[in-house]
Amino acid sequence: EDKVVQSPLSLVVHEGDTVTLNCSYEVTNFRSLLWYKQEKKAPTFLFMLTSSGIEKKSGRLSSILDKKELSSILNITATQTGDSAIYLCAALIQGAQKLVFGQGTRLTINP
Amino acid sequence: KAGVTQTPRYLIKTRGQQVTLSCSPISGHRSVSWYQQTPGQGLQFLFEYFSETQRNKGNFPGRFSGRQFSNSRSEMNVSTLELGDSALYLCASSFTGTPYEQYFGPGTRLTVT
Repeated sequence: EDKVVQSPLSLVVHEGDTVTLNCSYEVTNFRSLLWYKQEKKAPTFLFMLTSSGIEKKSGRLSSILDKKELSSILNITATQTGDSAIYLCAALIQGAQKLVFGQGTRLTINP
Repeated sequence: KAGVTQTPRYLIKTRGQQVTLSCSPISGHRSVSWYQQTPGQGLQFLFEYFSETQRNKGNFPGRFSGRQFSNSRSEMNVSTLELGDSALYLCASSFTGTPYEQYFGPGTRLTVT
């Protein structure tokens, strides 16, 4: 059975801290790993990672995929209260138009 | 361009009843996917429709069904509701059905009592 696991499930830090969120996957026919941010209801797309070792960066957020370890990390530097959200990772299955999601990491940034 | 809309936003039903949720995709998008989100299981894929045809299906019982109309609007139906069906139901639309191009709607919060 395809499975995606995120850790930690919950994280509380202070504004300005750097955080690292983890995502591991066990899926057949893996194609890509996607990260989303869910603030209120609708998840919004952050990154898609297909190649191992190549960092994707957007402002204070960055992510990298390790296909050997079947995992990915999402880093957020100099966190702000607006970064408080649930962060979801999902594995895209080759040939199938569907995503397998992890449980999400609930990140809370305290001022 | 208007985003993905879902109706109703909140719904309370009783065990054994059935429910129909609606999703209107972004104009021009032909693919609609449905997901169930619960605290315990996270976000799980239900099914995907493209041009009125179901192309992919997740591991949910037959009580969960859907359809898509010629204008790409989609409905999801759950029959014989169970307490465990309480969840946030999200739909996402895209032009081709490629998951990384999906735009999510705000969801329908279903509570089964």
